[in-house]
Amino acid sequence: KQEVTQIPAALSVPEGENLVLNCSFTDSAIYNLQWFRQDPGKGLTSLLLIQSSQREQTSGRLNASLDKSSGRSTLYIAASQPGDSATYLCAVPLSNFGNEKLTFGTGTRLTIIP
Amino acid sequence: GAVVSQHPSRVICKSGTSVKIECRSLDFQATTMFWYRQFPKQSLMLMATSNEGSKATYEQGVEKDKFLINHASLTLSTLTVTSAHPEDSSFYICSAKRSVFRPQHFGDGTRLSIL
Repeated sequence: KQEVTQIPAALSVPEGENLVLNCSFTDSAIYNLQWFRQDPGKGLTSLLLIQSSQREQTSGRLNASLDKSSGRSTLYIAASQPGDSATYLCAVPLSNFGNEKLTFGTGTRLTIIP
Repeated sequence: GAVVSQHPSRVICKSGTSVKIECRSLDFQATTMFWYRQFPKQSLMLMATSNEGSKATYEQGVEKDKFLINHASLTLSTLTVTSAHPEDSSFYICSAKRSVFRPQHFGDGTRLSIL
């Protein structure tokens, strides 16, 4: 059974700092890994999706890396802004049938201090 | 593109009431829709997978008679919480995808509060 863990559970950093969020998974046979953002009381917004053949993906100030062999992914946020405050979730599919049945991590609640 | 609309966004009702939540894919046809449940400060837990025109597949521990799912068309899936009780209070989120190997797109969720 795939288990996905995110550390830390909560993180507060001053505005402008760079930061790294961590995601680890127990079964390395994943098809892809996805990072989401969730604002309070809202649904999920997809940030980045990394295919199993890729090592990283970038979108603006966000960079996600994937190391399948060690069962780890990181989300790097550069020059953090108060608007980045949210809960960040990583997720992996439970099967290799392509984005089926996502298993979500426990989430990291990020607060950027102005 | 790939917008998923969920309605209502919030519902408060008395114990024993049945509540229907709609999930619509607005600009694409969704072959598969998923329903998740999220308790406060916890992650999303998959409840069921819904394919158009067929019965939903429920995850272990989810009561199919309690949570009725109908995927009547390629753009609409509904989740009905039957005879809801306070322990059913939660945040319910749906997602939809065009086809295999395509990503899931999520709705904004429904906050259900049972008094």
